[in-house]
Amino acid sequence: GQQVMQIPQYQHVQEGEDFTTYCNSSTTLSNIQWYKQRPGGHPVFLIQLVKSGEVKKQKRLTFQFGEAKKNSSLHITATQTTDVGTYFCAGYNNNDMRFGAGTRLTVKP
Amino acid sequence: DSGVTQTPKHLITATGQRVTLRCSPRSGDLSVYWYQQSLDQGLQFLIQYYNGEERAKGNILERFSAQQFPDLHSELNLSSLELGDSALYFCASSRDSNYGYTFGSGTRLTVV
Repeated sequence: GQQVMQIPQYQHVQEGEDFTTYCNSSTTLSNIQWYKQRPGGHPVFLIQLVKSGEVKKQKRLTFQFGEAKKNSSLHITATQTTDVGTYFCAGYNNNDMRFGAGTRLTVKP
Repeated sequence: DSGVTQTPKHLITATGQRVTLRCSPRSGDLSVYWYQQSLDQGLQFLIQYYNGEERAKGNILERFSAQQFPDLHSELNLSSLELGDSALYFCASSRDSNYGYTFGSGTRLTVV
């Protein structure tokens, strides 16, 4: 069955440094979604990527979908303390949505 | 407020007991999903309903069951509770499987 792997599991950065989390699927995806869960909160939908090679930006966040539609990345430029949380990717194919294990980001002020 | 309502927010119960968690999806969403999140862990998919019918099943224990009612709200029933069932249980809804999910605030279940 479809598997979605996400790395790294944890990332600790100094405020102002960049951060990237990577997501890889064992199968080709129809789309990939990204979510953010703040400590003590619930996952919140950030974005969905559908097209091969697609790149989308939300302020300091850049999302990419690989050409083969099997991998994706989320890059945060110049992290801030408000970026703290766990970032999950979720790959969709054939009526099956699989969440990655998440990357927990901590930011030192 | 995400639009997905989960009740109760917190639940403390003893081993062997049975509890029911409730979820009201966002208006217009036909799909409801249940996820379990143990402490500092990922999201474990339990089950999905679409417009009243079960559509997909994940790693849901036989002691657990769910249903979606005609008004689209859903209930997750957990029985013969064990200490290991202590977790956050999230409900999410979406228009359909390939749209972004809206999560509720979760029910924190503590089994003592």
